[in-house]
Amino acid sequence: QQPVQSPQAVILREGEDAVINCSSSKALYSVHWYRQKHGEAPVFLMILLKGGEQKGHDKISASFNEKKQQSSLYLTASQLSYSGTYFCGTEKRGGATNKLIFGTGTLLAVQP
Amino acid sequence: DAGVIQSPRHEVTEMGQEVTLRCKPISGHDYLFWYRQTMMRGLELLIYFNNNVPIDDSGMPEDRFSAKMPNASFSTLKIQPSEPRDSAVYFCASSLLADSPLHFGNGTRLTVT
Repeated sequence: QQPVQSPQAVILREGEDAVINCSSSKALYSVHWYRQKHGEAPVFLMILLKGGEQKGHDKISASFNEKKQQSSLYLTASQLSYSGTYFCGTEKRGGATNKLIFGTGTLLAVQP
Repeated sequence: DAGVIQSPRHEVTEMGQEVTLRCKPISGHDYLFWYRQTMMRGLELLIYFNNNVPIDDSGMPEDRFSAKMPNASFSTLKIQPSEPRDSAVYFCASSLLADSPLHFGNGTRLTVT
């Protein structure tokens, strides 16, 4: 079942923060986050496996709630390079297979 | 490492023709995935392999689609006969293990007229 992402699109000024959410109706095994720039392939950002987990690098971080049904991606002090479409990919319980079902994506545009 | 290599980058063909897309995964990766991306349906998983064995092909839309992985360094996705609704970007991705990142190739943009 496809995860639900919100918002569908967001426009930011450089330096502003954004949060992208990914929700599932059932508990998950894992959630991945990817960024795709126009005309390019999706690029891996991070993977979360444990309920309550939080991880991040630079100014991009993510969380996975205790019930493992919701994940959020946090982008702080956004830069122009953050522009793109962000996808969460979820694996249902019973993994590990890396069989990911991707959400519909969130288009992020960072303006000067 | 060269990453996942897909060919061709672009393919334009007429309805009814056979189309073969090719993928070379990253060396040593155990998993290989074929995804299709369209504006309407987003990123759809078509099929995936583990150690060259097809594990789940439930996403393959019709019998017109077939995929093979004859060895650890090569996979093909074939559409025969092709139809205009098959027009999409087809991505191949590989991962070292389960629970590890997917590395995507640059994709093949297929246009069926």
